[in-house]
Amino acid sequence: NAGVMQNPRHLVRRRGQEARLRCSPMKGHSHVYWYRQLPEEGLKFMVYLQKENIIDESGMPKERFSAEFPKEGPSILRIQQVVRGDSAAYFCASSPPGRGGTEAFFGQGTRLTVV
Amino acid sequence: SQQGEEDPQALSIQEGENATMNCSYKTSINNLQWYRQNSGRGLVHLILIRSNEREKHSGRLRVTLDTSKKSSSLLITASRAADTASYFCATTPGGGADGLTFGKGTHLIIQP
Repeated sequence: NAGVMQNPRHLVRRRGQEARLRCSPMKGHSHVYWYRQLPEEGLKFMVYLQKENIIDESGMPKERFSAEFPKEGPSILRIQQVVRGDSAAYFCASSPPGRGGTEAFFGQGTRLTVV
Repeated sequence: SQQGEEDPQALSIQEGENATMNCSYKTSINNLQWYRQNSGRGLVHLILIRSNEREKHSGRLRVTLDTSKKSSSLLITASRAADTASYFCATTPGGGADGLTFGKGTHLIIQP
């Protein structure tokens, strides 16, 4: 059973370009979470999705950021018109159905560098 | 502000000694989890303790939870060089909400 797969591992974008980060959850997991980690800081929750639904996007910046988890395929975190401040590590986690904070499994992260 | 706050921010000890890290949080929780992150890697889940539990063990790890003080501690016994990593506590809020909230972490260095 493969773990949570994120790609690419490293992504370099020029200011103003778009960044697309992909996350394939573990088999059988229907919950996906995206987190952002700035240098020397802990993870900050961005968005929680289930298949075809955004459950909680309270941590997502209001502009330029969007996330989806389609019926088929990976979850996508999309950042439009990237700026230097978007440079960070973005982690995806997945968990099986159920509530109450079931253990989440994390991917290796995508390190975005905006130049 | 961060829900979980780890203390200390950094800790350096000799191999073989015990390492203790603390975590405080602000609101009611369903459970609290500890994660480890090796440099440049993703997080690895270590242990989950539910709000109705006071202590939990897993190998060399011992976690305590004091809901009256809104705090938790992670003890690593007989530390090894491979334990060098950052350790994060994460809380799941009460009230049925999902999504983990992480602190900034404790960076643990084990000196050989």
